[in-house]
Amino acid sequence: GENVEQHPSTLSVQEGDSAVIKCTYSDSASNYFPWYKQELGKGPQLIIDIRSNVGEKKDQRIAVTLNKTAKHFSLHITETQPEDSAVYFCAASTNTGRRALTFGSGTRLQVQP
Amino acid sequence: DGGITQSPKYLFRKEGQNVTLSCEQNLNHDAMYWYRQDPGQGLRLIYYSQIVNDFQKGDIAEGYSVSREKKESFPLTVTSAQKNPTAFYLCASWTGGNVRNGYTFGSGTRLTVV
Repeated sequence: GENVEQHPSTLSVQEGDSAVIKCTYSDSASNYFPWYKQELGKGPQLIIDIRSNVGEKKDQRIAVTLNKTAKHFSLHITETQPEDSAVYFCAASTNTGRRALTFGSGTRLQVQP
Repeated sequence: DGGITQSPKYLFRKEGQNVTLSCEQNLNHDAMYWYRQDPGQGLRLIYYSQIVNDFQKGDIAEGYSVSREKKESFPLTVTSAQKNPTAFYLCASWTGGNVRNGYTFGSGTRLTVV
């Protein structure tokens, strides 16, 4: 089955700096890659996603890049703010079979004011 | 507003007891999922259901059971056979068909064995 690895496990940045979180996946059939933000005690919230036919997608301060050949994708947050502090998860899925998301282990982002 | 409701928010279980976690959605989604989250780890799939009256085991189904009698409801029972049930449990749903539409998650149930 699919295996998703996520790095780093913790990331501390100064307010206004950029943050980058990287994930790799194992199943070449995966074609959907969402990113979730989880605040303490809450369920994950989808923040951005990308499909396999797209190399990059941007939404205001958040961007995601995908390299299908290398099987890795990354989340980029620019101009970080204290409210960006949370745990971020990457995930991967196919459109066949059980079509369930396989998640990375998470990155705890701390934005220092 | 449409969404997923999980209850209770906190649940305490004694050794040897079965407990049931509720998950209800009013999004008219076909597929529903249960995930388990342990501290410092990602979400692991317990069970999923892509249609009413049908469900499949995920990666860590041992010690858990589910039912899907109604489209809106997908309860999870943590049985006494689950040896380490203390965790944060998340229910999710999506429209079915193409997973690119993304999951919607509930707010979770934190289960603690006392």
